[in-house]
Amino acid sequence: EPEVTQTPSHQVTQMGQEVILRCVPISNHLYFYWYRQILGQKVEFLVSFYNNEISEKSEIFDDQFSVERPDGSNFTLKIRSTKLEDSAMYFCASSEALNGQGRPEAFFGQGTRLTVV
Amino acid sequence: GENVEQHPSTLSVQEGDSAVIKCTYSDSASNYFPWYKQELGKRPQLIIDIRSNVGEKKDQRIAVTLNKTAKHFSLHITETQPEDSAVYFCAASVSGYSTLTFGKGTMLLVSP
Repeated sequence: EPEVTQTPSHQVTQMGQEVILRCVPISNHLYFYWYRQILGQKVEFLVSFYNNEISEKSEIFDDQFSVERPDGSNFTLKIRSTKLEDSAMYFCASSEALNGQGRPEAFFGQGTRLTVV
Repeated sequence: GENVEQHPSTLSVQEGDSAVIKCTYSDSASNYFPWYKQELGKRPQLIIDIRSNVGEKKDQRIAVTLNKTAKHFSLHITETQPEDSAVYFCAASVSGYSTLTFGKGTMLLVSP
């Protein structure tokens, strides 16, 4: 069964450093998302991406964050200057869409645990 | 924006009992309501979803009901088993392709 895959599974970085989290969505999916989950808390929406541009973003997704689809398969989240409070599990998700048709459910990757020290 | 409230935060039941988790949403434009199960340290996985043109949906031991007028929806698990133990999240979305707004989660513990 197709899966969303994320790398790395765990990233430790020093405060102020840049990190790039990588995701490979399911191949026929067209909507891509990043969510984060601080330990023990709910899943929070960061950004959605469709047709090579951001379609929605939350207030969490400030100027320190950016997303990119550098090629036909990868979808990346970059945090320019990490803060301690960026420590969380980051989930990539994708869903299919075809002219408004297709099943809407979002499939989640296994997550990248980011630890900022 | 959308706000999703979920109750209870924890739920302990004996194996074989039923479990009910309730969510309310604020945006009347929301029309897609998935439920995700998250086992410890793993990704959220969709277990059932419902669209606003349906009042109830069932899949084996799991059912979801939706009351659009009252803006609430519930997850029902019957004949619970220890492997049902996990955190369950409800979510709401306006179009089904837009952002999911999640509830805070319910930790379900099923004791043998």
